[in-house]
Amino acid sequence: SQQGEEDPQALSIQEGENATMNCSYKTSINNLQWYRQNSGRGLVHLILIRSNEREKHSGRLRVTLDTSKKSSSLLITASRAADTASYFCATDEAAGNKLTFGGGTRVLVKP
Amino acid sequence: DAGVIQSPRHEVTEMGQEVTLRCKPISGHNSLFWYRQTMMRGLELLIYFNNNVPIDDSGMPEDRFSAKMPNASFSTLKIQPSEPRDSAVYFCASCRTGSYEQYFGPGTRLTVT
Repeated sequence: SQQGEEDPQALSIQEGENATMNCSYKTSINNLQWYRQNSGRGLVHLILIRSNEREKHSGRLRVTLDTSKKSSSLLITASRAADTASYFCATDEAAGNKLTFGGGTRVLVKP
Repeated sequence: DAGVIQSPRHEVTEMGQEVTLRCKPISGHNSLFWYRQTMMRGLELLIYFNNNVPIDDSGMPEDRFSAKMPNASFSTLKIQPSEPRDSAVYFCASCRTGSYEQYFGPGTRLTVT
């Protein structure tokens, strides 16, 4: 099974609402990252949180990490139609730059 | 910077044909990754290189798949012979060693009929 598993698989919200998605993983990590993928495009890095961090903010994004539960959450506040995309968490292994991606959460923000 | 460049963007070929996908990483990035994305299996790492040397090819599905990185600015992923189940979007990504942030190319959509 995949290292990172996102939940929910799909999310539909109105513009202005907050969107929250979760990621669970199985093994110890150094970092956890979140990426966005717009339809037909490559993935774009959003934010990285280190294993010794619990929360991180970047603009309208808020990421939390709970290493005891092996889980992370991504919150997008005040969503916009342009936030419509798939969001993936990615975890690294102990050594090297290798990442393992989850199955993603498809977010639809309705105007 | 132009970002990661992949070519072709779309490829349609018949079963049994050889397919070569190309990638130019971002200048200065010394790690390069090849991924495959399908609806069924999601995003899978096929192989990655560090300083042009293959480090982990455990994700390469079969001997029909091969990848090379002859220099720091170019990599290829070859499928020979191709099969319909190889149909997918293939992404190349690069990053600096020690940085975990990967930069993805636009992908090559491969259709094998």
